[in-house]
Amino acid sequence: AQSVTQPDIHITVSEGASLELRCNYSYGATPYLFWYVQSPGQGLQLLLKYFSGDTLVQGIKGFEAEFKRSQSSFNLRKPSVHWSDAAEYFCAVGAREYGNKLVFGAGTILRVKS
Amino acid sequence: DAMVIQNPRYQVTQFGKPVTLSCSQTLNHNVMYWYQQKSSQAPKLLFHYYDKDFNNEADTPDNFQSRRPNTSFCFLDIRSPGLGDAAMYLCATSGGQGHTDTQYFGPGTRLTVL
Repeated sequence: AQSVTQPDIHITVSEGASLELRCNYSYGATPYLFWYVQSPGQGLQLLLKYFSGDTLVQGIKGFEAEFKRSQSSFNLRKPSVHWSDAAEYFCAVGAREYGNKLVFGAGTILRVKS
Repeated sequence: DAMVIQNPRYQVTQFGKPVTLSCSQTLNHNVMYWYQQKSSQAPKLLFHYYDKDFNNEADTPDNFQSRRPNTSFCFLDIRSPGLGDAAMYLCATSGGQGHTDTQYFGPGTRLTVL
């Protein structure tokens, strides 16, 4: 069955430090990959997506992610975290072979300390 | 700005009292989704419309129904809310390629069941 794993439930980083949020997936098909961010009490905002092509994708707010097929990973990175980045981050995967439905990971809560 | 709007943002209902949540979109997208998100969990797809075609997830309780009277509007009806239905309900849309398109989320409706 398709699954998405975000191994870290909580991550705390200092403001200005670099960030990497992990996402691993198990899919029997070519995946489409997304990262969404959710602030408390809000909906999900798309940060970036990968469908094909260059495996390093740039998103909004200075985020980037790299698709590594050999590792079944799509980790999210940011070189310098701002206090406003504190939120919950969801990795999501879809595939046409599975009816194009998105499967979400459980999320990673990011805390930023000053 | 084109967007996904959900009303109300907060809804309080009594156990067993029917409730309707509303979603509208100005994106002219042909696919609309309803997700349930419980505290500290990933969004869970309840059902979606591809144009007028309704697609129910196998594990969505019969208590949950949906209507899409036109392209712009979609409603989530909970016929007899139980305490376990308290959650954030997220509406999302996508266009053109169906699920592989980016899903755009509304801000959500927080449902409380007393």
